[in-house]
Amino acid sequence: ILNVEQSPQSLHVQEGDSTNFTCSFPSSNFYALHWYRWETAKSPEALFVMTLNGDEKKKGRISATLNTKEGYSYLYIKGSQPEDSATYLCAPRDHGGNKLTFGTGTQLKVEL
Amino acid sequence: SQTIHQWPATLVQPVGSPLSLECTVEGTSNPNLYWYRQAAGRGLQLLFYSVGIGQISSEVPQNLSASRPQDRQFILSSKKLLLSDSGFYLCAWISRIRGTEAFFGQGTRLTVV
Repeated sequence: ILNVEQSPQSLHVQEGDSTNFTCSFPSSNFYALHWYRWETAKSPEALFVMTLNGDEKKKGRISATLNTKEGYSYLYIKGSQPEDSATYLCAPRDHGGNKLTFGTGTQLKVEL
Repeated sequence: SQTIHQWPATLVQPVGSPLSLECTVEGTSNPNLYWYRQAAGRGLQLLFYSVGIGQISSEVPQNLSASRPQDRQFILSSKKLLLSDSGFYLCAWISRIRGTEAFFGQGTRLTVV
């Protein structure tokens, strides 16, 4: 997998706003799609691992969808809180499951 | 339970000096192992990954190398550090099972001076 794109690159929202990010990846050789929450200089925290086309997963106020045929995934945060401020990374895992390549991330800042 | 250890946590090294970062995993066998780097203001770049002892795949040409002398040990090395090698290095492992997440070490902050 050579090209993993995430948009937007950064986002500033107000507390209580809902927001969403996009991860685009090559649809060929798909194995799994990971989402992580990451604070700089710390270990990334796993949010979701998605494997099936049409998958929808939810954890609290955060949810994600997956389209493997067209090669994209959306991450949604409902009612953003300041503690949601972080960088959100997606990582496609390629066919065979050996390579895990991260996108450049979406940096979210939630302001009071 | 599975754990991953990465050390040291911080390191300041002069240009031209060697480097050795070590990562060990406990509680699992035959994991895939990864080294990532975050350079200043950038995302997580995959440097190396390994699917077994002695098997190393390199993603980015550079003066770094990796080795896997044992099933659960992954080492990142350099013979001569460059200023551009500064950054935050993360080791990770993942099982062969498709739906499992990756687990990360605590990271090493390397500053080359």
